[in-house]
Amino acid sequence: DVKVTQSSRYLVKRTGEKVFLECVQDMDHENMFWYRQDPGLGLRLIYFSYDVKMKEKGDIPEGYSVSREKKERFSLILESASTNQTSMYLCASTPVGTSGSLYEQYFGPGTRLTVT
Amino acid sequence: GNSVTQMEGPVTLSEEAFLTINCTYTATGYPSLFWYVQYPGEGLQLLLKATKADDKGSNKGFEATYRKETTSFHLEKGSVQVSDSAVYFCALSAPSYKLIFGSGTRLLVRP
Repeated sequence: DVKVTQSSRYLVKRTGEKVFLECVQDMDHENMFWYRQDPGLGLRLIYFSYDVKMKEKGDIPEGYSVSREKKERFSLILESASTNQTSMYLCASTPVGTSGSLYEQYFGPGTRLTVT
Repeated sequence: GNSVTQMEGPVTLSEEAFLTINCTYTATGYPSLFWYVQYPGEGLQLLLKATKADDKGSNKGFEATYRKETTSFHLEKGSVQVSDSAVYFCALSAPSYKLIFGSGTRLLVRP
């Protein structure tokens, strides 16, 4: 079974702090994604990465950055946390391929971040 | 651009009732379609999928049929259980292995 783990389930940080959210997958997937989930808005893509050291902006990258130094690990960084970044953050991964079924994304359990 | 529209929730049903959660999409080309489920306190997990028109995805008693003529992928279950209470997300595939998600529909099943 594919396993995607996230470093924390719950996190409380203060405004202005630098925050690191870590995600690790164990299935050698090339593609990894960071989403935030907010009520009524569904999942919105922040950043994704299709290879080590490669990254692309998603729909809402402002205030975030990412790092992918190893294939299995994808980090989301909040350079200076703000209260409007209070949210649930979900990491996902998927392999590369040509079959439509390979678009299936495998999700971690999520990190609920509260910025006070 | 590509998008997914789901019915707003919450949907509240009694146990053993019939469930329909509507999902329509806008897309160019021939995307794959997915339903994901999120149980309380957990991440999303794939419930079912369909990769081409007229395909029916099914799992755990849930079904959805890829209808290209109506651009729909409605989720159905004949008899819901309390354990089906969760948030359900419809999604479609997009370039670069991305998924576009709907806003989610919360289902609450009462005993």
